[in-house]
Amino acid sequence: AQRVTQPEKLLSVFKGAPVELKCNYSYSGSPELFWYVQYSRQRLQLLLRHISRESIKGFTADLNKGETSFHLKKPFAQEEDSAMYYCALDALANSKLTFGKGITLSVRP
Amino acid sequence: ETGVTQTPRHLVMGMTNKKSLKCEQHLGHNAMYWYKQSAKKPLELMFVYNFKEQTENNSVPSRFSPECPNSSHLFLHLHTLQPEDSALYLCASSQPRGYNEQFFGPGTRLTVL
Repeated sequence: AQRVTQPEKLLSVFKGAPVELKCNYSYSGSPELFWYVQYSRQRLQLLLRHISRESIKGFTADLNKGETSFHLKKPFAQEEDSAMYYCALDALANSKLTFGKGITLSVRP
Repeated sequence: ETGVTQTPRHLVMGMTNKKSLKCEQHLGHNAMYWYKQSAKKPLELMFVYNFKEQTENNSVPSRFSPECPNSSHLFLHLHTLQPEDSALYLCASSQPRGYNEQFFGPGTRLTVL
């Protein structure tokens, strides 16, 4: 069975500081990885996915198959990045997602 | 309203009650999902429907009974729930195959007394 681990519950940084939200997964095959975000009083929404190779709102994530990681990074955090971030895995291209527990990112002015 | 809607947004029920949660999507998707979000636990997939057919039941107790009458509507019928079933229940929709983005509703906050 697949599993997604987000080892930290909270990351607090100052505006302009770099951000790295960690995500590790366990799955024997080649899954697709996603980052979903939930801003205050908004619904859960897709931030980015590995297959798209995009940078969204300045965030990037690289899939490291050797380390089975998909960490989310942003070089300069903004206050509007404060939110709950969830890493998710789709193992079989069947749109069934396995989520991590999520991490709260707090960006202070 | 566009996107995925859920009603009611809040529900308080006793353990002997029967209630239903409703989800509707206006995105033309053919896959719909129920998730449970409890405190201190990851978002848990409960049920998956593809083209109105249930394709996943993630070992959910029978006191939760889903129904998908068409590709736009999804229900979760609740009966004889336990206090530990109190949680946020999220509905989502997507296209059924491939690495597709899931679109989430706002959730129903359920409290079982």
